[in-house]
Amino acid sequence: NAGVTQTPKFQVLKTGQSMTLQCAQDMNHNSMYWYRQDPGMGLRLIYYSASEGTTDKGEVPNGYNVSRLNKREFSLRLESAAPSQTSVYFCASSDSNEQFFGPGTRLTVL
Amino acid sequence: GENVEQHPSTLSVQEGDSAVIKCTYSDSASNYFPWYKQELGKRPQLIIDIRSNVGEKKDQRIAVTLNKTAKHFSLHITETQPEDSAVYFCAASRNTGRRALTFGSGTRLQVQP
Repeated sequence: NAGVTQTPKFQVLKTGQSMTLQCAQDMNHNSMYWYRQDPGMGLRLIYYSASEGTTDKGEVPNGYNVSRLNKREFSLRLESAAPSQTSVYFCASSDSNEQFFGPGTRLTVL
Repeated sequence: GENVEQHPSTLSVQEGDSAVIKCTYSDSASNYFPWYKQELGKRPQLIIDIRSNVGEKKDQRIAVTLNKTAKHFSLHITETQPEDSAVYFCAASRNTGRRALTFGSGTRLQVQP
């Protein structure tokens, strides 16, 4: 039982490049979330998916897109990376209130 | 939307002392309040949570209190140990509909041996 997994762990991009962050959970949870964490700040919600086939914007959605591929997987895409998107990205899943977090992806955009 | 404020941003205590971290929230519909501990380079880990139908909850050296009227909740750690050193985040969410968490900005706790 791996819980929530994320790939890659680290990534360096140049401004304008695109990439997809992958997230998967094996707890059969309905809801999944993407957060970003910047230094000295709490986690901020980018997008979430309450169930398979649905996605909604969070607090900071600009510059991102998401896909809920199936119940297990929820991906986050940066179409044209900007230095302001340098951050640590956490995926989470839940079936009630308690959220379980993945290990994070540390992204640097040069 | 919800806004969660957390104080203090840093807290240094001597081993064995108590530590208190306070949060306020703005959305009266919020009714779930978790606390997360995050060690350097690691993911946030849930340490305790409380729902709005309860005023206090304890788990060994950790307790959380909730004042729904005043919209604030606090984390209390007693008999602190060096391994308690980490960043602690409070958060709030609703119990129905959109359950995404709104986080406070974090408190860096240092326990001096």
